[in-house]
Amino acid sequence: AQSVSQHNHHVILSEAASLELGCNYSYGGTVNLFWYVQYPGQHLQLLLKYFSGDPLVKGIKGFEAEFIKSKFSFNLRKPSVQWSDTAEYFCAVRGGGFKTIFGAGTRLFVKA
Amino acid sequence: DVKVTQSSRYLVKRTGEKVFLECVQDMDHENMFWYRQDPGLGLRLIYFSYDVKMKEKGDIPEGYSVSREKKERFSLILESASTNQTSMYLCASSPTDRGNQPQHFGDGTRLSIL
Repeated sequence: AQSVSQHNHHVILSEAASLELGCNYSYGGTVNLFWYVQYPGQHLQLLLKYFSGDPLVKGIKGFEAEFIKSKFSFNLRKPSVQWSDTAEYFCAVRGGGFKTIFGAGTRLFVKA
Repeated sequence: DVKVTQSSRYLVKRTGEKVFLECVQDMDHENMFWYRQDPGLGLRLIYFSYDVKMKEKGDIPEGYSVSREKKERFSLILESASTNQTSMYLCASSPTDRGNQPQHFGDGTRLSIL
């Protein structure tokens, strides 16, 4: 069965610090990978996605993620976080079929 | 831009009541989903629908049912609400695709069962 593991439940950073949020999945076939973000009081929205091609994908607001197939990982990065990046981040995996499996989420708090 | 609208942001009901949560999307998407979101558990799929009148169980369907009579509307029904169904409920939609299209989410309904 598919599963998604996010390494940290809570992360606290100061502004300008670099960010890396870990995500590992288990699925044997071809996958489509997503990072979603939920800002306080807002709905989930897509940050970036990978489905084929260059394993380094760039998303909105300066975020990027790297798909490493051999490690079943899709880690999210940002070189310099801002206070406005305070949010909850969800990694998600979709293999065959309709279902998308979400990780438990990582709450990021950025200190101004 | 895709708009997914959930009928209520906050809802308070009593145990044993039948509860209806409504969701409407305006982009003619074939697929619609209901999740519940709980701290530390992420999003868990309750039911999804890939066409009108079609429905499939997700990972936690017990105590819930759904209805999809029209393409744009997907309803979640709590047959007899219980306190362990207190949660944030999220509706999402997506087009039929090869798997690389993201889901679009509503703002959520925070449901409290007293």
